[in-house]
Amino acid sequence: QKEVEQDPGPLSVPEGAIVSLNCTYSNSAFQYFMWYRQYSRKGPELLMYTYSSGNKEDGRFTAQVDKSSKYISLFIRDSQPSDSATYLCAIDAGKSTFGDGTTLTVKP
Amino acid sequence: DTGVSQNPRHKITKRGQNVTFRCDPISEHNRLYWYRQTLGQGPEFLTYFQNEAQLEKSRLLSDRFSAERPKGSFSTLEIQRTEQGDSAMYLCASSLVMGDQETQYFGPGTRLLVL
Repeated sequence: QKEVEQDPGPLSVPEGAIVSLNCTYSNSAFQYFMWYRQYSRKGPELLMYTYSSGNKEDGRFTAQVDKSSKYISLFIRDSQPSDSATYLCAIDAGKSTFGDGTTLTVKP
Repeated sequence: DTGVSQNPRHKITKRGQNVTFRCDPISEHNRLYWYRQTLGQGPEFLTYFQNEAQLEKSRLLSDRFSAERPKGSFSTLEIQRTEQGDSAMYLCASSLVMGDQETQYFGPGTRLLVL
């Protein structure tokens, strides 16, 4: 079993939809949780960085961490075609462990 | 552009050849990481440096791989006697550690194809 499991997708939604992206992890010692966005043939770009449990909001993006369930989520409100990319969850700062990504397509 | 640069961006080589990649991190960042990413997978940790010291190497890093970070600035990743299974995107990331906070910034990657 992988340390981080990510809903594989792909996901296709109409513009303006609310998107939910999810990961589970196995090691309860993890404290830092990140979401990255990766466009095709580019390096990952940090979107959200969360420490411990709770919610964090940044514009249209909300990251949610539930340590009791070992479950993390990223919500995208009012999705735009420019949000079309692969989204990677990552656990632990520094030497991070990544999920395999969910590819999102937002159709105009 | 995150400020982390990698060269070359693409490399095609024949099996058995040696290749070297370079990463230039954000100048004030003290940590530098190398990851490998294959199609449909997330990045996998290979090794990292704190300044010039290589602190950890993954089991993924066979003895054909070597990384250096002389003077704690740029880093190189060399693969000797390349194999087709080495074909992947090699990503570099740098970070500044402040207390228990650390944020990584990734470069654009070097895409390696071994024929």
